[in-house]
Amino acid sequence: DAGVIQSPRHEVTEMGQEVTLRCKPISGHDYLFWYRQTMMRGLELLIYFNNNVPIDDSGMPEDRFSAKMPNASFSTLKIQPSEPRDSAVYFCASSAIKGQGAQNTEAFFGQGTRLTVV
Amino acid sequence: DAKTTQPPSMDCAEGRAANLPCNHSTISGNEYVYWYRQIHSQGPQYIIHGLKNNETNEMASLIITEDRKSSTLILPHATLRDTAVYYCIVRISNSGYALNFGKGTSLLVTP
Repeated sequence: DAGVIQSPRHEVTEMGQEVTLRCKPISGHDYLFWYRQTMMRGLELLIYFNNNVPIDDSGMPEDRFSAKMPNASFSTLKIQPSEPRDSAVYFCASSAIKGQGAQNTEAFFGQGTRLTVV
Repeated sequence: DAKTTQPPSMDCAEGRAANLPCNHSTISGNEYVYWYRQIHSQGPQYIIHGLKNNETNEMASLIITEDRKSSTLILPHATLRDTAVYYCIVRISNSGYALNFGKGTSLLVTP
């Protein structure tokens, strides 16, 4: 497996534009996570899905952010309209339940999308 | 999830063992200790995890104290490629399975 695949790797956009980040999880994984990383706030969980269903979106900063998972192999994180303070590296991760519970799982992260909003 | 405390930075000479401490004094009986690392410009990478017993894999060893209030990640022979930020995370199985990263320890391995 090629691992978690994110696209694009870099995105530069102007304030007010719509931005869509994409993620392909590892095949067979049933959990998908979106994180954001900035120097000030570190790694923050934005939202996660289980079997394509959003479970916890309490980390989504504002209504400008939305995430979807239309099928098991694809997820998007959309920002509309984008603002300069959204500039960050956005990571997607996936994991699978194994053994007696999810505490035994490890999460696999993609390479991230570096977003710059000017 | 229990909070963790790690030193912000550490140095280690190449070839020597790197011992990274983590305090988690409020850990509950059913919370696991996880370690991840993040090499510059890459996504976090899983290293090891444990509940009570010491654990070892091809990357590292995890030593958990008997009272489980602290742990140490050991990289037995650090290389320059081990330079990264190391995160100690404790989590409970029904917390949603997401990882709450703190600030971690920035490990610099020097020649």
